[in-house]
Amino acid sequence: GQSLEQPSEVTAVEGAIVQINCTYQTSGFYGLSWYQQHDGGAPTFLSYNALDGLEETGRFSSFLSRSDSYGYLLLQELQMKDSASYFCAVRDQGNFNKFYFGSGTKLNVKP
Amino acid sequence: SAVISQKPSRDICQRGTSLTIQCQVDSQVTMMFWYRQQPGQSLTLIATANQGSEATYESGFVIDKFPISRPNLTFSTLTVSNMSPEDSSIYLCSVWTSGDYNEQFFGPGTRLTVL
Repeated sequence: GQSLEQPSEVTAVEGAIVQINCTYQTSGFYGLSWYQQHDGGAPTFLSYNALDGLEETGRFSSFLSRSDSYGYLLLQELQMKDSASYFCAVRDQGNFNKFYFGSGTKLNVKP
Repeated sequence: SAVISQKPSRDICQRGTSLTIQCQVDSQVTMMFWYRQQPGQSLTLIATANQGSEATYESGFVIDKFPISRPNLTFSTLTVSNMSPEDSSIYLCSVWTSGDYNEQFFGPGTRLTVL
């Protein structure tokens, strides 16, 4: 089975850097992905780590360490519009098309 | 990339009735995925819809309750049958593109309220 843990809520100020952690227990997986979801909106794909290490996309970076069963999403130069929920998900090794989602982290960006 | 549309965007239904949700993708995809997101919760995969074959359902979801059609490579429907208030959720259609860049796309969702 798969189990993912994320902090339920994180608060940071505009312009700062915030890291959202995702720890997991799995029987094997292909990769870790991250999604952003604003209230009332659909999830938006942010990144996918198939390999260990850091993936950078603009202000957002995602990291994966399989040996530590750990990943994180790093958001730099925070903007008010970054206030949203962020979900991590693992791609199941037994079923390539299946993603198990974490419970989500609500990020509050304050001025 | 992929652009996904869903209809209806929202609906309020009576207990015991059924609702069919449509999902249209602007490109041909092998697999389409249906997710449920209950209020304040995370996403749960309902089933994977393959063109030309029966959908594959995840644990806790059955075809009689959530029948799925996949008549071609750009379209799918999900029916929520014999609805109860517990079915009140957002239902999302999704596709995954692979190749040089892996990326997942979601439709805007259908917000269902069952009274």
